[in-house]
Amino acid sequence: DAGVIQSPRHEVTEMGQEVTLRCKPISGHNSLFWYRQTMMRGLELLIYFNNNVPIDDSGMPEDRFSAKMPNASFSTLKIQPSEPRDSAVYFCASSARQGHYGYTFGSGTRLTVV
Amino acid sequence: AQKVTQAQTEISVVEKEDVTLDCVYETRDTTYYLFWYKQPPSGELVFLIRRNSFDEQNEISGRYSWNFQKSTSSFNFTITASQVVDSAVYFCALSGGTGGTSYGKLTFGQGTILTVHP
Repeated sequence: DAGVIQSPRHEVTEMGQEVTLRCKPISGHNSLFWYRQTMMRGLELLIYFNNNVPIDDSGMPEDRFSAKMPNASFSTLKIQPSEPRDSAVYFCASSARQGHYGYTFGSGTRLTVV
Repeated sequence: AQKVTQAQTEISVVEKEDVTLDCVYETRDTTYYLFWYKQPPSGELVFLIRRNSFDEQNEISGRYSWNFQKSTSSFNFTITASQVVDSAVYFCALSGGTGGTSYGKLTFGQGTILTVHP
């Protein structure tokens, strides 16, 4: 298994631009999570999906952030418009049975907004 | 609501010393899972262990051992005979079990930066 695949690994964009982060979960996993890691706030859960349905998006910082999971093998996290304070590492994770067997993380996307 | 506290922000040891990383958690769920992850300088999050709330047996894996004490809501991690390659940030995490309010939601502590000097 290739694990959780995130793209791009690094993204540098200008303030005000739209940014789309992508994630391919492990085949057979039915839960998908988006986390953001910053020095100040640590690892924060932004949103998670179960069977492609958003279950909890209470961690999404504001309306500029949106996430979709159109099918079991793909999810996106979009920021529009981006701001410098969005600079962080964004991790995607997937699990089977909502974490019953553990969570596998992707390598992360390092986003820099200048 | 769930909460994980790792009181030690940074720990510095010399190679071959034993080191214990503390983790205390809060949850209202009766069933839950506890985890430790390692984040080396390369940045990825590496799974180390998962423990469910009804299994209080301690676990040993090579130089790593974990002590789960439900009575004190603690899940501490010990590295025996530390090595330079153990230098990383270590995260303790908690998720709710089936039927709980935090079912499937993994909450992390703030992490402990471990530096092992040669």
